[in-house]
Amino acid sequence: SQKIEQNSEALNIQEGKTATLTCNYTNYSPAYLQWYRQDPGRGPVFLLLIRENEKEKRKERLKVTFDTTLKQSLFHITASQPADSATYLCALYTNAGKSTFGDGTTLTVKP
Amino acid sequence: EAGVAQSPRYKIIEKRQSVAFWCNPISGHATLYWYQQILGQGPKLLIQFQNNGVVDDSQLPKDRFSAERLKGVDSTLKIQPAKLEDSAVYLCASSLMGAGDAYEQFFGPGTRLTVL
Repeated sequence: SQKIEQNSEALNIQEGKTATLTCNYTNYSPAYLQWYRQDPGRGPVFLLLIRENEKEKRKERLKVTFDTTLKQSLFHITASQPADSATYLCALYTNAGKSTFGDGTTLTVKP
Repeated sequence: EAGVAQSPRYKIIEKRQSVAFWCNPISGHATLYWYQQILGQGPKLLIQFQNNGVVDDSQLPKDRFSAERLKGVDSTLKIQPAKLEDSAVYLCASSLMGAGDAYEQFFGPGTRLTVL
């Protein structure tokens, strides 16, 4: 069956460091992948999209990579700030637009 | 631009009761989604509409859950009768996406349902 795994443990890092979050998948051939941020009590907010034929995407301090051979996406936040503390979700999409979300990784950035 | 609206924000009911949630997507968004998010988990897709047609409802427990999107705009999700395991946040999202396109989803604030 299809499975998406994100960092099983919460991630705690020091302000200014780079946070790296992992999204691994099995039994899935996604057409594209999205990363979302979710704060407590709120709905997810879109951050970045990357297609299967793209290796890397950047937006300000955010970078996402997509390796369809390893079946893995990495999400990086450089120069992290306490305001980056949140849960980050990866979502995989088929060509038909059907989405499957991972369970998320909770990131805490300490000042 | 107004975001996705959902109501109510919170609902507490007893098991075996019925409940309905309402969602008004962003104007012009053809695709509407309902998700169930259990504490500590990611959103699980219940049903996806494109305009007023169902694209995917494979994970909707059809013996107790129903959803409709009349006139291709707002939507309601109903649970009848509710079970304890239905306690979750119900998220509505919308997007411009059609089949094969890639667009971001805009989420509403969710409805937190507690079944006692």
